Amino acid sequence: QKEVEQNSGPLSVPEGAIASLNCTYSDRGSQSFFWYRQYSGKSPELIMSIYSNGDKEDGRFTAQLNKASQYVSLLIRDSQPSDSATYLCAVVRMYSGGGADGLTFGKGTHLIIQP
Amino acid sequence: DAGVTQSPTHLIKTRGQQVTLRCSPKSGHDTVSWYQQALGQGPQFIFQYYEEEERQRGNFPDRFSGHQYPNYSSELNVNALLLGDSALYLCASSLAGAYYGYTFGSGTRLTVV
Repeated sequence: QKEVEQNSGPLSVPEGAIASLNCTYSDRGSQSFFWYRQYSGKSPELIMSIYSNGDKEDGRFTAQLNKASQYVSLLIRDSQPSDSATYLCAVVRMYSGGGADGLTFGKGTHLIIQP
Repeated sequence: DAGVTQSPTHLIKTRGQQVTLRCSPKSGHDTVSWYQQALGQGPQFIFQYYEEEERQRGNFPDRFSGHQYPNYSSELNVNALLLGDSALYLCASSLAGAYYGYTFGSGTRLTVV
């Protein structure tokens, strides 16, 4: 049974601070890792992907991956009220011939940025 | 460049009825996956279609079935609807040969009464 665990929150962070979101996964065969942002009533929007151990930065977002610990995290710097949303962690296995399995999602962390 | 389009956006059905949801993938994508998202939960993988065949299936009963057409568009069919089938149904597309992640459609909100 593939599982992805996230703290459901809510996680409350002051505007301008760093928001730190965490995720653990059970399937050691997972090869690709994603963070999606989902506003209430909307569909998930991909904000970060990471495939190798270490850090990956994109603007205010940094994804961190530690495959040995089966741990993925997302840091949001200079948090803005517009960052208030549910953040979904997702993992997937890749096929050797191309393509990938269906995503396994966590339940999401509800993030609130306080003005 | 059109993204993933889903129809209808909202739907209300009665228990025991059947429903068909539709999805057109992003231009250039050939793989379509379907997800069910209940309120307060993460999306759950239903199945994935590639080359008009079901390639992988999640833990969903046979009441959930699908189809992919030669133009890569896809349908999700749910028979004998239960109250518990009420959810947001999401379609996601990707390209099998060059995987850069999934693009999600805006979803279909299904309410079973």
